[in-house]
Amino acid sequence: QVQLQESGPGLVKPSGTLSLTCAVSGDSISSSNWWSWVRQPPGKGLEWIGEIYHSGSANYNPSLKSRVTMSLDKSKNQFSLRLSSVTAADTAVYYCARIPFYYYAMDVWGQGTTVTVSS
Amino acid sequence: EIVLTQSPGTLSLSPGERATLSCRASQSVSSSYLAWYQQKPGQAPRLLIYGASSRASGIPDRFSGSGSGTDFTLTISRLEPEDFAVYYCQQYGSSPPKYTFGQGTNLEIK
Repeated sequence: QVQLQESGPGLVKPSGTLSLTCAVSGDSISSSNWWSWVRQPPGKGLEWIGEIYHSGSANYNPSLKSRVTMSLDKSKNQFSLRLSSVTAADTAVYYCARIPFYYYAMDVWGQGTTVTVSS
Repeated sequence: EIVLTQSPGTLSLSPGERATLSCRASQSVSSSYLAWYQQKPGQAPRLLIYGASSRASGIPDRFSGSGSGTDFTLTISRLEPEDFAVYYCQQYGSSPPKYTFGQGTNLEIK
């Protein structure tokens, strides 16, 4: 059974950097899947942030591209998100998710972690 | 960027009834690249349908997807109490952003 688990600070100061990690169990991040991040502001819909492949190739949402970096840690079977220069608009529940290569959809999700940007 | 518009915004139905949810794209979307999710309060989204009409693992057969081009539909044949939730459509495209979501349809108990 594949499981994803997000972790990271729940509170980030404005202009700071949001850093989250997604630990993967039951699958290898070196398998034929993309690994993605999606966020959901309070009471709003879903926004795709980006994705990363085991080769290190990454794709980002243009609306966030200048502030986003994704990375892999194969030794720990986890992947990470960094979002810089955060503002209150970045307050959201952040989810990590798996995208099988032939699905073009997110089939396994973490339970989500709430990040609040506030001083 | 392909924009997905879902209708209606809210759908009020009773258990046992049939639900029909619509997702319209601003440009043609390959059927292979259209998915539907269910989200309940405080939970992560759950994949229901991918490739416009393929049910994800463990999804009951009362859920079905159809459509092509710019118009796609999620149908729930007979509503169960646990089906009342928010539903999102999502598309994959070759140009960024690669994935976009509709704004959601809230399926509520009448």
